[in-house]
Amino acid sequence: SYDLTQPPSVSVSPGQTASITCSGDKLGNKYACWYQQKPGQSPVLVIYQDSKRPSGIPERFSGSNSGNTATLTISGTQAMDEADYYCQAWDSSIVVFGGGTKLTVL
Amino acid sequence: QVQLVQSGAEVKKPGASVKVSCKASGYTFTSYGISWVRQAPGEGLEWMGWISPFNGNTNSAQKLQGRVTMTTATSTTTAYMELRSLRSDDTAVYYCARYDLRGVGATTVSSAFDIWGQGTMVIVSS
Repeated sequence: SYDLTQPPSVSVSPGQTASITCSGDKLGNKYACWYQQKPGQSPVLVIYQDSKRPSGIPERFSGSNSGNTATLTISGTQAMDEADYYCQAWDSSIVVFGGGTKLTVL
Repeated sequence: QVQLVQSGAEVKKPGASVKVSCKASGYTFTSYGISWVRQAPGEGLEWMGWISPFNGNTNSAQKLQGRVTMTTATSTTTAYMELRSLRSDDTAVYYCARYDLRGVGATTVSSAFDIWGQGTMVIVSS
């Protein structure tokens, strides 16, 4: 089975840049997506097709994907960005989620 | 507006079945697939399966095959997920999410889950 690995937690100071990684075998050959989930809420798509932002997602969210690693970058991190973040990709017709990363804005 | 509205919370005994509904509105139902994702308390997202309302094709996670059935009713733009032989570790919030069917035909699937339902809590307890 295909696995996506994320760090369990990442900490960042307000205004700084947060980077969350997602690793998988030849992940760069697939499209990676990222979801933000705040406590008690449904996930929200923040990045799709590696680096595209849906309407309404702030420009401070960006993504990249190459080799075995996809990265979600949040520039000028704000307190409201504190949440769990999940990467996701398709392996043929199977959907795979990473284990999630808790982003703490200290 | 585009939305997915799910049925309410359920409490079931071990061995029972649960059927969760997901009512779609604001878009062409047959142009988007519906995927089901669950999240156990304090845990991450777990993909359960998907269904294409266009042709009824389905695919489910190997660990759930034989226990999960996904269906759609195009007349009411509603998707359903039934899980049988419930166990305590099926206790979770169950989400439906839509994805663009145009993105799944290529060699590299480009679809993402852009709209999610509000979630349905299912508690399995004796």
